[in-house]
Amino acid sequence: EDQVTQSPEALRLQEGESSSLNCSYTVSGLRGLFWYRQDPGKGPEFLFTLYSAGEEKEKERLKATLTKKESFLHITAPKPEDSATYLCAVQARMDSWGKLQFGAGTQVVVTP
Amino acid sequence: DAMVIQNPRYQVTQFGKPVTLSCSQTLNHNVMYWYQQKSSQAPKLLFHYYDKDFNNEADTPDNFQSRRPNTSFCFLDIRSPGLGDAAMYLCATSRVWGIGTGAGSPLHFGNGTRLTVT
Repeated sequence: EDQVTQSPEALRLQEGESSSLNCSYTVSGLRGLFWYRQDPGKGPEFLFTLYSAGEEKEKERLKATLTKKESFLHITAPKPEDSATYLCAVQARMDSWGKLQFGAGTQVVVTP
Repeated sequence: DAMVIQNPRYQVTQFGKPVTLSCSQTLNHNVMYWYQQKSSQAPKLLFHYYDKDFNNEADTPDNFQSRRPNTSFCFLDIRSPGLGDAAMYLCATSRVWGIGTGAGSPLHFGNGTRLTVT
């Protein structure tokens, strides 16, 4: 069975203090690994898709990387507006309909 | 802007009283999904539609039903809500190209409906 585990569950950072979030996954053939940002009371907002080991994607202060077993979301010099829950999800190659299996997320709080 | 819109944002219902949540999209995506998300938990897929074809997850309770009358709209019906059904319900859409391939766009989510059961 496909599984996605995110760590840590929560992360408190000072503004400017860089850190990394981890997403470990097991899936029977990975089509894609997705990162989403979710603000309180809102739906997840798409950030990145990674398709193969070694791939990297960047957006502002965020950088996502992928290996065969895990993905990291690096937050460089975070600002308070980066506070959110970051969700990781996998899409299996065997799935016909594009559905995603999510992890429980890492709640990030960035204080000024 | 093309988007996924869920109504209402907040819904309060009584134990056992049927409730319907709605989702509309202007993205013209062929797949629509319903996820249930409880506090601090991963979103859990309930079911999805590929065009008009309904696909139920194996562990989705019979209490949950869905309708997709056209490309733009999808409804989640909870026939007899229990206290354990209190959650955020998220609607998402994607464009999957090629029947059965699963390859397609990332999922686009609405802002959810927060369901409270009293």
